[in-house]
Amino acid sequence: DAKTTQPPSMDCAEGRAANLPCNHSTISGNEYVYWYRQIHSQGPQYIIHGLKNNETNEMASLIITEDRKSSTLILPHATLRDTAVYYCIAFMDSNYQLIWGAGTKLIIKP
Amino acid sequence: ETGVTQTPRHLVMGMTNKKSLKCEQHLGHNAMYWYKQSAKKPLELMFVYNFKEQTENNSVPSRFSPECPNSSHLFLHLHTLQPEDSALYLCASSQDLWGEKLFFGSGTQLSVL
Repeated sequence: DAKTTQPPSMDCAEGRAANLPCNHSTISGNEYVYWYRQIHSQGPQYIIHGLKNNETNEMASLIITEDRKSSTLILPHATLRDTAVYYCIAFMDSNYQLIWGAGTKLIIKP
Repeated sequence: ETGVTQTPRHLVMGMTNKKSLKCEQHLGHNAMYWYKQSAKKPLELMFVYNFKEQTENNSVPSRFSPECPNSSHLFLHLHTLQPEDSALYLCASSQDLWGEKLFFGSGTQLSVL
C-alpha cells in the first residue's frame, strides 16, 4: 500500500472550511484514497473515499489531483464537533489491511 | 451509534487475571476485526474474521485469544497480560473482506497493572 503523509496538526476557525491535505506520491493506479476520523475516546469513523474523481457526501468533499499524488479533504463548514484526528489512507481494493498513520489532529476553534 | 457495540468500555486487570472483551455488530456484516491502539501509535490490526473463520493473525502473542461464534459476535480473551498491553482495543466490522469501509465500536480502554 502507498504511504501517505499528513501534517501532524492544523487549526481552523468554527464556521470556516477546513482543508486537510494528504500526499500519496507513490500511490498506484488501483489504490483508493480513504479518509477516516477519530474523535477523542471513540473509534474511527469513515468519512469518504475516492479513486480518481472528486467525491462529495453529506460529511465532506474529497479533491484528488489529476496525477493522484495528493488529495484534500474539505469540511465545508467546520463545527467544534469536527475536532478529531483525521487519517488519510491509500487502500487497495483487494487488501483489507488499512495501514494507519499518525493522521492530522484538527482543532476547530470558536 | 455505529452499529458496533463493545463492552466493557473500561477494564483494569492484573497480570494474572483472565478477562474477555466483547463486540457485537447489528449491521449484518460478514467480516469482523480486532485492532489495538496504543498511546501515540497508529492503529494495529490484530485479528480478522470472515464468515466466522479467522483469516488473519498479525503475529499477535498467544496471551490474546480471539473467538468468533457467529458473524455478529467477536470476543477477545485475555490472560497473563503485560503492562505494555495497556491500550485501546477496537472492534470493527465490514460488509465483506474486500474494499468495504469499516465500522468501528467505541473501544475498550484496557489498563494492565
